[in-house]
Amino acid sequence: NAGVTQTPKFQVLKTGQSMTLQCAQDMNHNSMYWYRQDPGMGLRLIYYSASEGTTDKGEVPNGYNVSRLNKREFSLRLESAAPSQTSVYFCASSEQIRGSEQYFGPGTRLTVT
Amino acid sequence: GENVEQHPSTLSVQEGDSAVIKCTYSDSASNYFPWYKQELGKRPQLIIDIRSNVGEKKDQRIAVTLNKTAKHFSLHITETQPEDSAVYFCAASEAGTYKYIFGTGTRLKVLA
Repeated sequence: NAGVTQTPKFQVLKTGQSMTLQCAQDMNHNSMYWYRQDPGMGLRLIYYSASEGTTDKGEVPNGYNVSRLNKREFSLRLESAAPSQTSVYFCASSEQIRGSEQYFGPGTRLTVT
Repeated sequence: GENVEQHPSTLSVQEGDSAVIKCTYSDSASNYFPWYKQELGKRPQLIIDIRSNVGEKKDQRIAVTLNKTAKHFSLHITETQPEDSAVYFCAASEAGTYKYIFGTGTRLKVLA
């Protein structure tokens, strides 16, 4: 039982390049989330998927797109990376029950130069 | 939408002393308040949570209190140990959704 996994662990991009961050969970959770973590800013929600087939914007969605590929996988895409997107990205999942624990992946450290 | 404020941003305590971290929230309809601990370079992990129908919850050396009237909740760690050094995040559920809004974090340093 791997829990929540993310790839890659580290990535360096040049401004304007694109990339997709991958996330998968094996806990049969319905809900999945993407956060970014910046110093002094806490965890800010980018997008989330309450259940397979649905996605919704969070607090900071600009510059990102998501795909809920199936129940297990939820990807985050940066179409044209900008230095402001330098951050640590965490994926999380939870049961589709309000007030349930979110389980986080190990994170992806992204640097955009 | 929900807004969560967390204080202090950094906290240093001597080993064995108590630590208290406070959060306020804006939406009176929020009903779930988790606390996450994040060690350096690691992922956030849930350490304790409280629901709006409960005023206090304890788990060994950690406790959380909730004041719904004042819309604030606090994390209490007693008999602090060096391994308690980490960043702690509070969060509040956003009513009617599956989203949590996180505070900006508190870096706790326990000095030996």
